[in-house]
Amino acid sequence: DAGVTQSPTHLIKTRGQHVTLRCSPISGHKSVSWYQQVLGQGPQFIFQYYEKEERGRGNFPDRFSARQFPNYSSELNVNALLLGDSALYLCASSSPGADEQYFGPGTRLTVT
Amino acid sequence: AQSVTQPDIHITVSEGASLELRCNYSYGATPYLFWYVQSPGQGLQLLLKYFSGDTLVQGIKGFEAEFKRSQSSFNLRKPSVHWSDAAEYFCAVALTGFQKLVFGTGTRLLVSP
Repeated sequence: DAGVTQSPTHLIKTRGQHVTLRCSPISGHKSVSWYQQVLGQGPQFIFQYYEKEERGRGNFPDRFSARQFPNYSSELNVNALLLGDSALYLCASSSPGADEQYFGPGTRLTVT
Repeated sequence: AQSVTQPDIHITVSEGASLELRCNYSYGATPYLFWYVQSPGQGLQLLLKYFSGDTLVQGIKGFEAEFKRSQSSFNLRKPSVHWSDAAEYFCAVALTGFQKLVFGTGTRLLVSP
C-alpha cells in the first residue's frame, strides 16, 4: 500500500505570496494532521482534520488555513508568506482508535 | 501545557558502542510516548511507542526505550550503533495515538568510525 504522499517536494516562493501544499493520506485513513518543522527544531502541530472537519489547531496565525476533501486528501494554505515560514511541512494520517500517525516525506518551502 | 525536553542537541558515538538518548516530558497524565527518526531531507519514521504495560518497549532497527514514571522519562537505547543510525531522533508525546503530537527539539546522532 502507498504511504502518505505530499506534493510538491520542494518549492520556492517570494515574501507576500501564497502557497498551497497537498497531502494524500494512507488509504482508509480519515484523519490528516499538518506539522511545521523549522530547521533545527522539532515538528510543531498546525492542524488536524477528521472527516472534513477541523479537530485541532496549533498556535499559528490566521494566514494558515487548511481543508480536507471528501476523499480525505488535504490542502494546507499559507497566505502573505514571511521569511519565517520557510520550513519542512509534514503531513501525517491516522485512523480513529489508531495508536500512531504515519508521516509523509514533507514539502520543503523556501521563502525568499 | 505539555512539553518534551531532549537535553542533548548532538551526540557522537563510535560505531559498535552503545547509545542512550534522553527524553523527559511534562504532562498531566501518562501520555502516549513515541520515538521517531528522521534522516536528512526525509520524513519521520516511527521507531517505537509506549501506551501502557511493560515499561521496556522494543522497536525497529534494534532500538528499545524504557518508560520511568517517577522520572517522567522515556530514554531510547541501542546496544550497538551502526553507521546507518546517524540521523536526527525525536521524542514525542500525545494524549492518544490519534491526537496531536508534541515533539522535542531533537538529538542529532553522529556515528564515528
